[in-house]
Amino acid sequence: DQQVKQNSPSLSVQEGRISILNCDYTNSMFDYFLWYKKYPAEGPTFLISISSIKDKNEDGRFTVFLNKSAKHLSLHIVPSQPGDSAVYFCAATGHYGGATNKLIFGTGTLLAVQP
Amino acid sequence: DTAVSQTPKYLVTQMGNDKSIKCEQNLGHDTMYWYKQDSKKFLKIMFSYNNKELIINETVPNRFSPKSPDKAHLNLHINSLELGDSAVYFCASSPRWGVDRETQYFGPGTRLLVL
Repeated sequence: DQQVKQNSPSLSVQEGRISILNCDYTNSMFDYFLWYKKYPAEGPTFLISISSIKDKNEDGRFTVFLNKSAKHLSLHIVPSQPGDSAVYFCAATGHYGGATNKLIFGTGTLLAVQP
Repeated sequence: DTAVSQTPKYLVTQMGNDKSIKCEQNLGHDTMYWYKQDSKKFLKIMFSYNNKELIINETVPNRFSPKSPDKAHLNLHINSLELGDSAVYFCASSPRWGVDRETQYFGPGTRLLVL
């Protein structure tokens, strides 16, 4: 049972344009969401997060939007740069079983930013 | 100066062998994790240790045995390796257990191939 889903395995965007990566979740106990970025042969690195008490969080070129009623979040990158080309993982966690540090990951979206 | 390091980076071995993967973090964190990324790119938690104590133990075959000699190290020993164990194994750490919403820092991964 995949509780966090990223239905687009890949996305290609022109440099300077907006990249929008999507993520859906099924577990209503999730209340904190994170995006991780991963380059080949490296581990995931934390990018940005959002709590369920917010619907938007912004950090420079990166903005995460949360729609709780739809159980959907998205990551916007504006403007996209070639160095943003990587796999982006959505992750979620929540107060279930007391394990608040347990992250559930999606399968990732490969973003390719074309120069 | 690497924050979370893993050795070896690559591991090729025969079915039935026993192997270990080592992880060290120099961040002073209390909590460490092992994740497995399978061929479908699904990143899933296996174990978590807090101050050398096992906190999370997902449904993992008992051929996998984590060991934490101190809070800076979390090693993973795998007995009787099977073809299905081929995957990328990531170690991660976070500052403290039980404190909400802490970022996890990942190592570069160990690519295990069982022939």
